[in-house]
Amino acid sequence: KAGVTQTPRYLIKTRGQQVTLSCSPISGHRSVSWYQQTPGQGLQFLFEYFSETQRNKGNFPGRFSGRQFSNSRSEMNVSTLELGDSALYLCASSLVDRGRGTEAFFGQGTRLTVV
Amino acid sequence: AQSVTQPDIHITVSEGASLELRCNYSYGATPYLFWYVQSPGQGLQLLLKYFSGDTLVQGIKGFEAEFKRSQSSFNLRKPSVHWSDAAEYFCAVVQGAGSYQLTFGKGTKLSVIP
Repeated sequence: KAGVTQTPRYLIKTRGQQVTLSCSPISGHRSVSWYQQTPGQGLQFLFEYFSETQRNKGNFPGRFSGRQFSNSRSEMNVSTLELGDSALYLCASSLVDRGRGTEAFFGQGTRLTVV
Repeated sequence: AQSVTQPDIHITVSEGASLELRCNYSYGATPYLFWYVQSPGQGLQLLLKYFSGDTLVQGIKGFEAEFKRSQSSFNLRKPSVHWSDAAEYFCAVVQGAGSYQLTFGKGTKLSVIP
């Protein structure tokens, strides 16, 4: 079974631009979450989607948004990029088992560099 | 709000020595607890998890962890460390059934001396 696939692996963007990252979850997993990892702040939760609906959102500005499609694939978008948005963005998928949370499986991440 | 503390930022051990990485959590009810490992530039790999039941859980790569409710701890152990275990280790907690939001500790970087 294929794991969580994130594309692209690396991105370099200029301040003020926007970026879209993609995540394909493990087949059968309907919950997709996004995390930002930086040396200073560590791993921080961005948002979680289930059945195309955002269920939880972390403490990030509105420039960070996401969506989930009917096939459970997810995208996250960051508009008006700032230098501080440089980070490793990780996507995780989880199996929904009778409404209970299960373990999250992570992709390799997208390394975003804002210059 | 729930939180996870990993007191050790960096640990160095000799190959073949035993290892214990500490994790303390703050949460009112019984949490779901996890340990993940991350190699440089890579994603997170799940080592083991605790949902309920036996408080000593076994994971991959010879790792185990023990849930101690009285100490709010979930320490990771390995009896004999291999050079390939050098990586960063993260403890994480989920609020429980129905939640998919992980709260992570700051991580412990493990260095292994050959």
